Amino acid sequence: AQSVTQPDIHITVSEGASLELRCNYSYGATPYLFWYVQSPGQGLQLLLKYFSGDTLVQGIKGFEAEFKRSQSSFNLRKPSVHWSDAAEYFCAVGSFTGGGNKLTFGTGTQLKVEL
Amino acid sequence: EPEVTQTPSHQVTQMGQEVILRCVPISNHLYFYWYRQILGQKVEFLVSFYNNEISEKSEIFDDQFSVERPDGSNFTLKIRSTKLEDSAMYFCASSEFFRETQYFGPGTRLLVL
Repeated sequence: AQSVTQPDIHITVSEGASLELRCNYSYGATPYLFWYVQSPGQGLQLLLKYFSGDTLVQGIKGFEAEFKRSQSSFNLRKPSVHWSDAAEYFCAVGSFTGGGNKLTFGTGTQLKVEL
Repeated sequence: EPEVTQTPSHQVTQMGQEVILRCVPISNHLYFYWYRQILGQKVEFLVSFYNNEISEKSEIFDDQFSVERPDGSNFTLKIRSTKLEDSAMYFCASSEFFRETQYFGPGTRLLVL
């Protein structure tokens, strides 16, 4: 069965500093990978996705992620964090088998930004 | 920009009562989903729905749960007899095609007393 691990529960960075959020997945086939962000009291907003092709994908709000098959990782990065980036970030892997279509999420990383 | 909407935003109910959570997916989307997030835990898949039938469901989605697309726009999740452990945020999502991005609604916060 597929799974996603986000090893960092909480991360604190200073505004303007760079950010990397880690994500490791387990999936038997070519993965479909996603990063979502959830602000307090809000739903899940898609930041970016990887389906195939270029392993470095660009998303909204200046985020990017790199798919590394050899490491089963899909880490999220941003070169300069803004205070408004404080939120919870979820990595997810999509599985599309047997006519089903579901996302398996990691436990999330809570990002705090210090001014 | 089209978005998924959900009503109500909050619902409080007594244990054993039935609740219906409503969602309006993005209009041209064909695949619909429900997920839930218990406070402090990760988002969990409940069910996917396509062509008026369930295409996949998790072990959480037992006989107490049902889904329906009663008309061309709404997608509902019914919990027949709520339990305390059903308290969670319930998210609806939709996607245009099978292997496509799922877009999430803002969620319904359900509290079972």
